[in-house]
Amino acid sequence: EVQLQQSGPELRRPGSSVKLSCKASGYSITDYLMHWVKHRPEHGLEWIGWIDPEDGETKYAQKFQSKATLTADTSSNTAYMQLSSLTSEDTATYFCARNGYYFDYWGQGVMVTVSS
Amino acid sequence: DIQMTQSPSLLSASVGDRVTLNCKASQNIYKNLAWYQQKLGEAPKLLIYNANSLQTGIPSRFSGSGSGTDFTLTISSLQPEDVATYFCQQYYSGSWTFGGGTKLELK
Repeated sequence: EVQLQQSGPELRRPGSSVKLSCKASGYSITDYLMHWVKHRPEHGLEWIGWIDPEDGETKYAQKFQSKATLTADTSSNTAYMQLSSLTSEDTATYFCARNGYYFDYWGQGVMVTVSS
Repeated sequence: DIQMTQSPSLLSASVGDRVTLNCKASQNIYKNLAWYQQKLGEAPKLLIYNANSLQTGIPSRFSGSGSGTDFTLTISSLQPEDVATYFCQQYYSGSWTFGGGTKLELK
């Protein structure tokens, strides 16, 4: 059974960074792109970018180019997203999601709260 | 970026109703469209891909149609468990974008 297990909720100060994890099971992460999506109830869903874990290639939405860094560790079958220079605008739930086009499996989401 | 506009933003319907949700793309995306259902506090669930293909395990009361710029998600007979927010997503442009969502509630 395919599962994407994300790390637990995070509380960070403004200006700091956070690294989120997404551990895949039931398949090899090198077989599919891994996407990351931001969700704020008042803003809906925003696509952040993808990583190809097989070769490390990444692509980002323009607004997240300097905010997010996507990496992957094939030995642990885990994808990561680091968010830097956090502000209150980064307070959201972040999902990882599998596949190249439409997203057939999603992680459960991780809440990131940025507050002083 | 391709903009996706969903309507209505809020829809109230009764159990057993036929419900239609709309999604419009700002340019031709052919059939590169998916629909997701998101219940409160949960991850989105894929319902429809390639505009009209039903994802495995999704009830047949859900169907999708359309191509180009105009798309529709139809629930043929609304069930209580269908209360959720529904999002469309385009994957034509290489920069994925979502609609703003339609919140479906019971009347």
